[in-house]
Amino acid sequence: GAGVSQSPSNKVTEKGKDVELRCDPISGHTALYWYRQRLGQGLEFLIYFQGNSAPDKSGLPSDRFSAERTGESVSTLTIQRTQQEDSAVYLCASSFLRGEQFFGPGTRLTVL
Amino acid sequence: GENVEQHPSTLSVQEGDSAVIKCTYSDSASNYFPWYKQELGKRPQLIIDIRSNVGEKKDQRIAVTLNKTAKHFSLHITETQPEDSAVYFCAASMYVRGSNYKLTFGKGTLLTVNP
Repeated sequence: GAGVSQSPSNKVTEKGKDVELRCDPISGHTALYWYRQRLGQGLEFLIYFQGNSAPDKSGLPSDRFSAERTGESVSTLTIQRTQQEDSAVYLCASSFLRGEQFFGPGTRLTVL
Repeated sequence: GENVEQHPSTLSVQEGDSAVIKCTYSDSASNYFPWYKQELGKRPQLIIDIRSNVGEKKDQRIAVTLNKTAKHFSLHITETQPEDSAVYFCAASMYVRGSNYKLTFGKGTLLTVNP
């Protein structure tokens, strides 16, 4: 079946604008994760969804970041009033509850 | 929280040689340790993982060892090939709320295999 997909693949925005990043997980995967990967760095955990609930939002860097998941499927990560330090690749992953995390291709966000 | 250190940051080997990447973790409660391979511009992909109830796991040319006492784990790639060239990430997590969800990643190792 299809893997995890994300859109857009690239996003260039101006400082101060809001952006929405979308993740479509593998069908049937109950868990969904968002990570941020800065250039040359490892993956930084942002938030975890189990179904439509987010038991752990501890990785969100500030209150400008929020995420939601609907229908136990698609998830949207929203960044308000973007800053240059938000520039990174945002990766989504999904899994069964205890299974391997499968990653999407990521959205490369550039804030000018 | 958990902290994962990974070394070396870059590693260059000749084709056919072995490569070893080492990681240490800080939280003794961590019990799941996956390794991901990320080729340039591609998504990370799981190549092998180990749980804390075993000390070693092998899959063809790849093996992972875990020393819980010392809180370190290593990735071993034998008979390296040019297609092994990529960035490798280690990660650690603990079993919480029915899931090993909160992966803490190392900063990655850029492996280059020279033909």
